[in-house]
Amino acid sequence: GAVVSQHPSWVICKSGTSVKIECRSLDFQATTMFWYRQFPKQSLMLMATSNEGSKATYEQGVEKDKFLINHASLTLSTLTVTSAHPEDSSFYICSAPKGGRDWNEQFFGPGTRLTVL
Amino acid sequence: GQQLNQSPQSMFIQEGEDVSMNCTSSSIFNTWLWYKQDPGEGPVLLIALYKAGELTSNGRLTAQFGITRKDSFLNISASIPSDVGIYFCAGQRSGGSNYKLTFGKGTLLTVNP
Repeated sequence: GAVVSQHPSWVICKSGTSVKIECRSLDFQATTMFWYRQFPKQSLMLMATSNEGSKATYEQGVEKDKFLINHASLTLSTLTVTSAHPEDSSFYICSAPKGGRDWNEQFFGPGTRLTVL
Repeated sequence: GQQLNQSPQSMFIQEGEDVSMNCTSSSIFNTWLWYKQDPGEGPVLLIALYKAGELTSNGRLTAQFGITRKDSFLNISASIPSDVGIYFCAGQRSGGSNYKLTFGKGTLLTVNP
């Protein structure tokens, strides 16, 4: 398999503040990464596709100005939740395809639990 | 967004029993993936299927890619307590740079020792 890390693993913040979540591919390069959100007892919902060196592609209904994505290098993508509100509290997970024949095999990070007070 | 139809929603079984779950879709996928997620963690890839009709095993796990490309199943044989978790199927329509995954709603598996 491949290793994807996320930081922080959990964060608690006050309403109105911004929170940055990092996603790193540790043993491979990823030109594309994906950001998901998962509410309790629900499935993963794709938020956006992060592209190295270009703008992210957002899914319908996801506010790009609220969820800022930056893919500055081949191993790092960041998701910034701006002006967070309680309804943004969720489990945020990133994934990355490894490439080559394994392109279709996406490896997930351990997730970041965001709680907005 | 679109989701796959995954069933059953939950299962309660005794240790040692076999388990079967499946996913169906109204549209074709070129790749099917099965993941397991433990509480508070990210999903872990179990099996990837690339060809219609393909049957692949990973230890006690066996998964098949349906002939129609619209379904897949996962079997777990001789379940053990550590099999507890949520199992997700995911379909992918590869092509160009579109490697997005569409997930099923998950099957919560509980194994009684």
